[in-house]
Amino acid sequence: GAGVSQSPSNKVTEKGKDVELRCDPISGHTALYWYRQSLGQGLEFLIYFQGNSAPDKSGLPSDRFSAERTGGSVSTLTIQRTQQEDSAVYLCASSLYGGRGETQYFGPGTRLLVL
Amino acid sequence: GQQLNQSPQSMFIQEGEDVSMNCTSSSIFNTWLWYKQEPGEGPVLLIALYKAGELTSNGRLTAQFGITRKDSFLNISASIPSDVGIYFCAGQVEETSGSRLTFGEGTQLTVNP
Repeated sequence: GAGVSQSPSNKVTEKGKDVELRCDPISGHTALYWYRQSLGQGLEFLIYFQGNSAPDKSGLPSDRFSAERTGGSVSTLTIQRTQQEDSAVYLCASSLYGGRGETQYFGPGTRLLVL
Repeated sequence: GQQLNQSPQSMFIQEGEDVSMNCTSSSIFNTWLWYKQEPGEGPVLLIALYKAGELTSNGRLTAQFGITRKDSFLNISASIPSDVGIYFCAGQVEETSGSRLTFGEGTQLTVNP
C-alpha cells in the first residue's frame, strides 16, 4: 500500500473487555513498531518486529498486552481485560530494515477509549 | 530509562515570527530526529541528524545535533499558519533490536494569522 494503515480508527470499549488493533505496514518493510501516545504526551515504544526474528517486547507495559505479526506483514496488538489507563492513541510504524537512521513511517493511529 | 525533555510545551506566535524549540537528554543518542504531528494523523519526519555538531536545513526548518549528543534544537523561520501542530524530538540508538525511537513530550505550536 501507499502508506501504513491502521484499523479501527477509533475504538470505544468497556473496562474488562479485550480489544484487537490492526496495522498494515508499507509493502516490503520488514521492521514494524507499535507505540502508545497518551493524551498530551510523547510516544512510548511498545514492541518491535523484524522479519522472522523474535520480537522485542521490552516496552509492553503489562502481560495484558501482546502482539503478533503474521507472515511478516500485518500485525495485531491485543489488549486483554482493558483498563481505563489503557486509553490512548496506539500508533504503528514501519521501516525498511529497522536500521539506524531509517525513516519510520507512521500510520494515523487507533484512538482507544476505555470506559 | 532514557528520557527526553522537550521545551517549551506550547507556543503561541504571530505569523511571520521565528520559532525555536529544543530537547535535552540524560543519555547519548546516535541520531536525532524531529517529527510533526497534525490532528488525527501520525507523526511525519521533518529532519534527521546523524552526526554530533551537524546542522541541517529543510526549507524554513533548521535543526542541530548537539556536540555532546545529548541535545538538539529545531528552528522554524517566518512561521505560517500551516506550521500549526505538535513537534516532537526523538532520539535513536542503534541496537540489535531495531533502533526504536525515544520521544520528547512535544511542543504544541499555534500560529495566529
